[in-house]
Amino acid sequence: GALVYQYPRRTICKSGTSMRMECQAVGFQATSVAWYRQSPQKTFELIALSTVNSAIKYEQNFTQEKFPISHPNLSFSSMTVLNAYLEDRGLYLCGARGYSAETLYFGSGTRLTVL
Amino acid sequence: GDSVTQTEGQVTVSESKSLIINCTYSTTSIAYPNLFWYVRYPGEGLQLLLKVITAGQKGSSRGFEATYNKETTSFHLQKASVQESDSAVYYCALDNYAQGLTFGLGTRVSVFP
Repeated sequence: GALVYQYPRRTICKSGTSMRMECQAVGFQATSVAWYRQSPQKTFELIALSTVNSAIKYEQNFTQEKFPISHPNLSFSSMTVLNAYLEDRGLYLCGARGYSAETLYFGSGTRLTVL
Repeated sequence: GDSVTQTEGQVTVSESKSLIINCTYSTTSIAYPNLFWYVRYPGEGLQLLLKVITAGQKGSSRGFEATYNKETTSFHLQKASVQESDSAVYYCALDNYAQGLTFGLGTRVSVFP
């Protein structure tokens, strides 16, 4: 079946530092990968959508300069949170879909704590 | 833009009783989006519970059902008899194909014996 692995599960970083999280699709080819953030007491907000052979599209309030994303092949994507501050804490989810495009499969998430 | 509104906060229900979580959606980008219910069990990631991609159809999984009603733009989740293992956070979501999903705020369901 289709699985998405995301790591690390949890990470703590000091304010002003950066951290990278990774997402791997297993059992299918991830033609598009969406990165979400769930801040405390909020729902999942879309950060950006990366589709193979297209430019990465960032949502309002999120920028490539802050959240650079790499999607080098059909099984892997990574996102970095640069210069993290308190407001960046939360659960980051990556969701990937394949050629059928109907369902987005999610990883377990990376929980970011900023000290 | 797109939005999803669902029963907010926490719902507490006794085991073997029925459960309904309301979900309504609004979209300006597409007439008939795909609709999903995702669930997050304690300590686990977000899992697909059920999906319906055709208006008027019903989806079901693990005893849960949801019907895609385009007239009322609703996709309520129901289960006739819940179990303790159904305790989780449930998210209604819509997909307009071109973008990622738009999620509701989530509903925490607590089932007690």
